[in-house]
Amino acid sequence: GENVEQHPSTLSVQEGDSAVIKCTYSDSASNYFPWYKQELGKGPQLIIDIRSNVGEKKDQRIAVTLNKTAKHFSLHITETQPEDSAVYFCAASSDSTLTFGKGTMLLVSP
Amino acid sequence: NAGVTQTPKFRVLKTGQSMTLLCAQDMNHEYMYWYRQDPGMGLRLIHYSVGEGTTAKGEVPDGYNVSRLKKQNFLLGLESAAPSQTSVYFCASSYGRNQPQHFGDGTRLSIL
Repeated sequence: GENVEQHPSTLSVQEGDSAVIKCTYSDSASNYFPWYKQELGKGPQLIIDIRSNVGEKKDQRIAVTLNKTAKHFSLHITETQPEDSAVYFCAASSDSTLTFGKGTMLLVSP
Repeated sequence: NAGVTQTPKFRVLKTGQSMTLLCAQDMNHEYMYWYRQDPGMGLRLIHYSVGEGTTAKGEVPDGYNVSRLKKQNFLLGLESAAPSQTSVYFCASSYGRNQPQHFGDGTRLSIL
């Protein structure tokens, strides 16, 4: 089955800095890669996703890049704000189900 | 528009007791999923359904059963609760395969 590794497990940045979270996957058949943000006491919320026919996707301060050859994908957040503080999960899918990474706790200090 | 609603939000059980967690979605989604979330483990799939009347096993199905009698509802059952099933349970739904999943806010279950 699919295996997704996510790094780092925690990331602390100053407000205004950029943050990068990286994930690798094992199944070369995976073709859908979403990223979720989870705030304390809430369910995960989709923030951006990318499919295998695209190398990069951007939505305002958030961007995701995909390298199919190396089987890794990354989340980039620019101009971080305190409200970006949360746990972020990457995931990969090759069939009907998602396999999640173990999460990254992002802390943005004012 | 409520999205995905999970009932109950909190529950404490004794070992050996049974209970059912209810998930309801109002988005007319075909696919529904049950996950458990444990510290440092991310989200792990328990069971899922690709349509009314269908169910399939996920990564960690042992000790759980599910039913999808109506398209909008997906039930997760614990027949004989064990302390190892203490966790936060999330339900999600999606329009179809490899489509964005929408999550509920979870059920926090403690088994003593």
